[in-house]
Amino acid sequence: DAKTTQPPSMDCAEGRAANLPCNHSTISGNEYVYWYRQIHSQGPQYIIHGLKNNETNEMASLIITEDRKSSTLILPHATLRDTAVYYCIVRERNAGNMLTFGGGTRLMVKP
Amino acid sequence: DGGITQSPKYLFRKEGQNVTLSCEQNLNHDAMYWYRQDPGQGLRLIYYSQIVNDFQKGDIAEGYSVSREKKESFPLTVTSAQKNPTAFYLCASSISASGANVLTFGAGSRLTVL
Repeated sequence: DAKTTQPPSMDCAEGRAANLPCNHSTISGNEYVYWYRQIHSQGPQYIIHGLKNNETNEMASLIITEDRKSSTLILPHATLRDTAVYYCIVRERNAGNMLTFGGGTRLMVKP
Repeated sequence: DGGITQSPKYLFRKEGQNVTLSCEQNLNHDAMYWYRQDPGQGLRLIYYSQIVNDFQKGDIAEGYSVSREKKESFPLTVTSAQKNPTAFYLCASSISASGANVLTFGAGSRLTVL
């Protein structure tokens, strides 16, 4: 699996967009980028995933750079309930779902 | 509602005792997983099962055992051989173990060894 690098923590004002970066400079052509989040003392929750095109769903948008070496998860209007640890994971599509969750980014949404 | 149920939510154990954590899913998923999380850390894979009556070791399987006798159930036993068992344990499932499938997690079980 490609290694990912995320900032350990970020702050965001309530109602503003939260932009969470992830660096995956060694990503290979058939590896997907996944995002999960974990609210304190709960199980992680899937957010979104993508290969090369930008993706959007009801929770967030995923922007992947053209060279695929980095990506950004965007929460368009952050709320206090979005305070959580956000994990960026890179995994080959056919390598199975035995995902490895590293340190992630602790996002604090402030009023 | 479909989902994953883990029990108990909190568990205390004396040193030297085995303890079994329950994980039940009604999502009709083939694959199930157990992860361990220590304070302030990410998740580490203990065991996973791709199908009934089959399971494989993850990154930190020593001191743990599992069984998969039914599709819905994947219990984890923390044995006395596990040197530092105090942790938050998370069970997950996915439609299958292959492909880009989403993991669905339970709420977790917090084990404390006294």
